[in-house]
Amino acid sequence: SAVISQKPSRDICQRGTSLTIQCQVDSQVTMMFWYRQQPGQSLTLIATANQGSEATYESGFVIDKFPISRPNLTFSTLTVSNMSPEDSSIYLCSVGRTAETEQYFGPGTRLTVT
Amino acid sequence: KQEVTQIPAALSVPEGENLVLNCSFTDSAIYNLQWFRQDPGKGLTSLLLIQSSQREQTSGRLNASLDKSSGRSTLYIAASQPGDSATYLCAVRSGNTGKLIFGQGTTLQVKP
Repeated sequence: SAVISQKPSRDICQRGTSLTIQCQVDSQVTMMFWYRQQPGQSLTLIATANQGSEATYESGFVIDKFPISRPNLTFSTLTVSNMSPEDSSIYLCSVGRTAETEQYFGPGTRLTVT
Repeated sequence: KQEVTQIPAALSVPEGENLVLNCSFTDSAIYNLQWFRQDPGKGLTSLLLIQSSQREQTSGRLNASLDKSSGRSTLYIAASQPGDSATYLCAVRSGNTGKLIFGQGTTLQVKP
């Protein structure tokens, strides 16, 4: 398994501002992902964080809104830019070693935009 | 496009009952399927991973089965306890990218 931490655990932000969420893993992992869980909803993949190259975004998510960095195999950041109330969600980082193995999730960052 | 459905959306049972949670997916060409548990306001805890070549996996009181051809998986919980109360999520992996597609979850309440 992997131990994953996220910072901050929660935040309340004003409309139009940006927030950067950090994800730290206790060991090197090949795969890192960012998911969003809107209130009362299930999880939706935002993007795959690729080490040393640009993230791969899912349909409906763009780099200008959700820039992602992954400087090494244990750390990634997700920025939620120019926030609106619709961005209020839980943002979760997840990791996996290969597609055949379990995927593990961090505790999440609960974001409220006012 | 892969879609994952979980039935029922909510379930309330008395302590001690055995129960089954259902998950169905539209595209049978999956890599594997993973069951998670989510407690209110928390992240996800992995329960079981079942590969496409497997029929079932067991961990303690939990047993997950997979029928890939019919696009179905079940999570069986034996002798339920109040501590089992949580939302249970099913997620499928359709390729080797690691991307998970989630169902909407089943919220379970086990009453003492």
